[in-house]
Amino acid sequence: GIQVEQSPPDLILQEGANSTLRCNFSDSVNNLQWFHQNPWGQLINLFYIPSGTKQNGRLSATTVATERYSLLYISSSQTTDSGVYFCSGATYTGNQFYFGTGTSLTVIP
Amino acid sequence: DTGVSQNPRHKITKRGQNVTFRCDPISEHNRLYWYRQTLGQGPEFLTYFQNEAQLEKSRLLSDRFSAERPKGSFSTLEIQRTEQGDSAMYLCASRGGPAGPEQFFGPGTRLTVL
Repeated sequence: GIQVEQSPPDLILQEGANSTLRCNFSDSVNNLQWFHQNPWGQLINLFYIPSGTKQNGRLSATTVATERYSLLYISSSQTTDSGVYFCSGATYTGNQFYFGTGTSLTVIP
Repeated sequence: DTGVSQNPRHKITKRGQNVTFRCDPISEHNRLYWYRQTLGQGPEFLTYFQNEAQLEKSRLLSDRFSAERPKGSFSTLEIQRTEQGDSAMYLCASRGGPAGPEQFFGPGTRLTVL
């Protein structure tokens, strides 16, 4: 299967700080997505980003498919950004998705 | 459309009992996935349906686990003779059709096996 490595595993930020989360894949993937898991376990879609760069408010993401990694940028962090961030990618058949072990973010006021 | 729904949200059972979970995907999605998530880990793929056909199963899916998707709509995941190691969050996701390639997750069913 495809190995997904996320870094850092844990991150503590002061409110207002910026951060970069990274996701590396052991092989080429399709359908790359970033999710935020809230304290109740719900996975919330952040970005569908198989390649290129997208921005949504304070969040942006960049995927360099040829080098098999993706980055999630969080600017001006807020306490509501706390939670676990996951990246996920699929085999090219789209039949199986792989997740990393996540980055646990804590934003303190 | 209210998104992916899962029932029950919580299930506590005794070891050896059978349990069944239900997932209702987003109506226009033809692809449905089941995952299992334990504490501190990311979701692990269990199985995949395209319409009513089960096209992929993980090696994690032991013989005690079975999934169905009759008529290509809702799906059920049954665990027979539950073990304490089955305690986890079971997540369902759907995607596909006109809605595009993004995968959307339900709220999950948290299983506790005593």
